[in-house]
Amino acid sequence: KAGVTQTPRYLIKTRGQQVTLSCSPISGHRSVSWYQQTPGQGLQFLFEYFSETQRNKGNFPGRFSGRQFSNSRSEMNVSTLELGDSALYLCASSRDTNTEAFFGQGTRLTVV
Amino acid sequence: AQSVSQHNHHVILSEAASLELGCNYSYGGTVNLFWYVQYPGQHLQLLLKYFSGDPLVKGIKGFEAEFIKSKFSFNLRKPSVQWSDTAEYFCAVIHTGGFKTIFGAGTRLFVKA
Repeated sequence: KAGVTQTPRYLIKTRGQQVTLSCSPISGHRSVSWYQQTPGQGLQFLFEYFSETQRNKGNFPGRFSGRQFSNSRSEMNVSTLELGDSALYLCASSRDTNTEAFFGQGTRLTVV
Repeated sequence: AQSVSQHNHHVILSEAASLELGCNYSYGGTVNLFWYVQYPGQHLQLLLKYFSGDPLVKGIKGFEAEFIKSKFSFNLRKPSVQWSDTAEYFCAVIHTGGFKTIFGAGTRLFVKA
């Protein structure tokens, strides 16, 4: 079966712009989580959605937001980009949050 | 706040050496535990998991991990590493009902051929 698909794979944006990243989970998975991965910091949890509801949110500023659609696809948005937002953004899907997660390849965001 | 600590950020081993990567977590309730691996150029994938039962769990490629509840630890082991084990390894914890998986900072393993 198809894995988790993230688009786009690479993005270059300018400070102050906004960006939207997309994630299509594995068919049948209703939980989608987003992470920010930077060297030395590991994966920092952004938020988790289940059946269109955000169930938990990490310690990120309000510039980071997300949503989930009825088909379980999810998007995350970052507004007013800062240089420090440069990172690999990973999406993971699972049947439910307490089960194993399946990760996408990530979107590499570079803010210049 | 919940946290996951991985003791070694970088490990260099020769082939056939034994491996143990430490992982400790801070949450005291019921947890599910995972080790994920990220090979160069590939996406993160599950190595093994512990939900309940036998605290010694076996995963893919000869890896195993032992859950020691009293020590809040879930260390990863492999008796004899191979060059192909070169990767970054992440320990992850979720407390049941928390809807939030916490990852450690990762350990980069380099195996010399």
